[in-house]
Amino acid sequence: SQQGEEDPQALSIQEGENATMNCSYKTSINNLQWYRQNSGRGLVHLILIRSNEREKHSGRLRVTLDTSKKSSSLLITASRAADTASYFCATGLYTGTASKLTFGTGTRLQVTL
Amino acid sequence: SQTIHQWPATLVQPVGSPLSLECTVEGTSNPNLYWYRQAAGRGLQLLFYSVGIGQISSEVPQNLSASRPQDRQFILSSKKLLLSDSGFYLCAWSGRLSTRYSGNTIYFGEGSWLTVV
Repeated sequence: SQQGEEDPQALSIQEGENATMNCSYKTSINNLQWYRQNSGRGLVHLILIRSNEREKHSGRLRVTLDTSKKSSSLLITASRAADTASYFCATGLYTGTASKLTFGTGTRLQVTL
Repeated sequence: SQTIHQWPATLVQPVGSPLSLECTVEGTSNPNLYWYRQAAGRGLQLLFYSVGIGQISSEVPQNLSASRPQDRQFILSSKKLLLSDSGFYLCAWSGRLSTRYSGNTIYFGEGSWLTVV
């Protein structure tokens, strides 16, 4: 299975601090994506990084990808209480017609005031 | 803009009863469609995906089936529910890929909570 595994499973920080979440996977990928899920809701796409990219930024988000180590990290800078959610990495593998995403187990982030 | 609708939002069903969850997408044509399940506190498991009408790929052997009777309609069904079918079911869609590396951003519905009792 190429399911990603996030680390840590849970993270609690104070507002203003940075939050770093890591993802490891097992097989080759075409891209890696990060999603956010508020409790009991659907997932929202945050950022996509291709297998030939090493780093990508979007607002307060920074994603790195190391294909040699089969790992990725998501950094949220200057966290806010509204960032409280679960964050999932998903590895994408092209099947010829679709990119199947395989999700990890997620990191629960709690940002306190 | 594209929107995805999924219903019902919650349901409680007895063991052995049938199931039908429905999902429709608006504002796009010929999307890839997906059904995921999320057990409590767990990641998402891909159940089915479809690249066209009547084309269903099953990822995990199980008590469920999927159908795509129309381009933008995706249905998840079961003839007889098991307790283990309880969970949070998410429908999703993505556009067609242009290249191997472009990647599909997947857009999720709000999910359906299923409790089998």
